[in-house]
Amino acid sequence: GAGVSQSPRYKVAKRGQDVALRCDPISGHVSLFWYQQALGQGPEFLTYFQNEAQLDKSGLPSDRFFAERPEGSVSTLKIQRTQQEDSAVYLCASSQNRDRVYEQYFGPGTRLTVT
Amino acid sequence: DAKTTQPNSMESNEEEPVHLPCNHSTISGTDYIHWYRQLPSQGPEYVIHGLTSNVNNRMASLAIAEDRKSSTLILHRATLRDAAVYYCIPRRNTGTASKLTFGTGTRLQVTL
Repeated sequence: GAGVSQSPRYKVAKRGQDVALRCDPISGHVSLFWYQQALGQGPEFLTYFQNEAQLDKSGLPSDRFFAERPEGSVSTLKIQRTQQEDSAVYLCASSQNRDRVYEQYFGPGTRLTVT
Repeated sequence: DAKTTQPNSMESNEEEPVHLPCNHSTISGTDYIHWYRQLPSQGPEYVIHGLTSNVNNRMASLAIAEDRKSSTLILHRATLRDAAVYYCIPRRNTGTASKLTFGTGTRLQVTL
């Protein structure tokens, strides 16, 4: 079946621009996560949704970062007034809550470059 | 979250077994040990997990020390497609999905 998809795959933004990154999780997956991965580092948690409820946003680095999942499926990560330090790969993952493993399925990521 | 220590990089020849170690001396008694890997230009993918007993699946085996302070991911016959960064992640079983806390992982190179 279809996996997690993300769009766009690559985004170049000028410093100060707003960007919106989209995640389509696996159909029926209740949980959705966003991670940020800087070059040469492991992914770092940003935020977590269970259905449409944002249960944890402790990883969002500033109030310029905002995520939503209004209907409990597709999610959008928005970054306002982008800065160079926002350049990274943004990964989305989804998980079903029906088994004890809670394996996360990741999308390919969106590579954001802020110039 | 429990802290993990993994070698930065390892090399293996194709068709040979690979043992990827992880130290997690501060792991709590209820944390599962998960392994994910990340192939180049892709998102991470789940490999295997365990609590106390050794585990096997189609991708790999996981050997967990008796004191649970360390574990080893075993790839029985490495192929070029196994070249990736491997992450060891202690993870609390909270009864629902929880975030993954990645370290810097071990970059595995596989050569002919």
